[in-house]
Amino acid sequence: AQKVTQAQTEISVVEKEDVTLDCVYETRDTTYYLFWYKQPPSGELVFLIRRNSFDEQNEISGRYSWNFQKSTSSFNFTITASQVVDSAVYFCALSISNSGYALNFGKGTSLLVTP
Amino acid sequence: DSGVTQTPKHLITATGQRVTLRCSPRSGDLSVYWYQQSLDQGLQFLIQYYNGEERAKGNILERFSAQQFPDLHSELNLSSLELGDSALYFCASSVGTNWETQYFGPGTRLLVL
Repeated sequence: AQKVTQAQTEISVVEKEDVTLDCVYETRDTTYYLFWYKQPPSGELVFLIRRNSFDEQNEISGRYSWNFQKSTSSFNFTITASQVVDSAVYFCALSISNSGYALNFGKGTSLLVTP
Repeated sequence: DSGVTQTPKHLITATGQRVTLRCSPRSGDLSVYWYQQSLDQGLQFLIQYYNGEERAKGNILERFSAQQFPDLHSELNLSSLELGDSALYFCASSVGTNWETQYFGPGTRLLVL
C-alpha cells in the first residue's frame, strides 16, 4: 500500500518568515516519484517539482527548496522569505508503477501568509 | 496556464441526473487522468486513458465512466448523481504513461442539489 501524510493541516506565518511543509510517504516500491503541487485560492493545481527515488539531491528554485530523505521517507518543502502570494494549499503526491503512475495525494497543507 | 482545458467550469444539477465533463489535453500529450477533489475524500484518482485505451482505474464508482476519443480529448460521464458527488473534478494530461509530470486543467466544479 502507498500513502502520503501531510501532518500539518494549516500553517499561518507572517510575511518574510521561512516555512517548511512536511511530507512523509510510504511505499514498498523501490522506484517511485514524488511531486509537489500548489492550489491557490483560484482552485487550479500548479505543478512545482518532481523527484525520482534515486535522486536524493536537494533542489532550490528561487525561494523554494526541497529536501528529499529516503532514510526518513520524507520530501519536505521550504519557502524562504514567504510572501502573501504564497498563500495556498500545497499537496505532496506519490506515484508508483503499480497504480498506473497515478498521483496519490496527501491531504494538503493550507498555508496562510499574512502581511 | 497549463494548456489543459476543461468545460464547463461550473455545473449545477439535480440528484438522479447525468452530466458529461470534457477535457482537452495539452498539445502532444497522449495520457489523460481524471481526479475528484472533495472535502471529505481529498484528491482521489479516478481513471486514466492513454491514446484512447483505458490504462488504470482508481476509486471510480460504477455510475461513472469515461472515454478518450481519437482526437485525444476525454469525457467523464457521471450518472444517477447523488449529493455526495458534488466536488471539483480535475483532468490532467501527460506525454506518456510513465512518470511524466501531470499538468492539471482548471477543473469543473459540480454541485448536485
